[in-house]
Amino acid sequence: KAGVTQTPRYLIKTRGQQVTLSCSPISGHRSVSWYQQTPGQGLQFLFEYFSETQRNKGNFPGRFSGRQFSNSRSEMNVSTLELGDSALYLCASGTSGANVLTFGAGSRLTVL
Amino acid sequence: DQQVKQNSPSLSVQEGRISILNCDYTNSMFDYFLWYKKYPAEGPTFLISISSIKDKNEDGRFTVFLNKSAKHLSLHIVPSQPGDSAVYFCAASEDNNNDMRFGAGTRLTVKP
Repeated sequence: KAGVTQTPRYLIKTRGQQVTLSCSPISGHRSVSWYQQTPGQGLQFLFEYFSETQRNKGNFPGRFSGRQFSNSRSEMNVSTLELGDSALYLCASGTSGANVLTFGAGSRLTVL
Repeated sequence: DQQVKQNSPSLSVQEGRISILNCDYTNSMFDYFLWYKKYPAEGPTFLISISSIKDKNEDGRFTVFLNKSAKHLSLHIVPSQPGDSAVYFCAASEDNNNDMRFGAGTRLTVKP
């Protein structure tokens, strides 16, 4: 079966712009989580959505937001981009309470 | 607040020898622990997990040990192979909760 698909894979933005990243989970997975990976910081949890509702949230400013659609696809948005937002953004899907997440390949964002 | 810590950013071992990767956590509510492996340009892939009711779980060359009193877990790879060279992430969550927290990762290099 198809894995977790993230688009776009690479993108370059400038400071102050906004960006939207997309994630299509594995068919049947209703939980979608987002992580930010930067060198030395590992994977920082952004938020998790389940059945279109944000269920968990990490310690990121309000510029980071997300949503989930009825087909479980999810988007995350970062507004007013800062240089420090340059990172690999990873999406992962899972079934509720299954603990094991399946990750996509990520969207690499560069902010200039 | 880094609830999951991997204090060794890198580890180098000889092919055929044992690789030991360590992880510490601070949140006593965590009761499910996982290891993920990540190759460049790919998302992390699930490797092995352990529930807090166990102190050891083995899968082929990979064994995870959990010491709840010390809030410490380790991943043993025996024998190590060059294909094991990757970044290994330790992760933890409360059971039945997809809010998973990751460490910063340890880059393992297995030399032929």
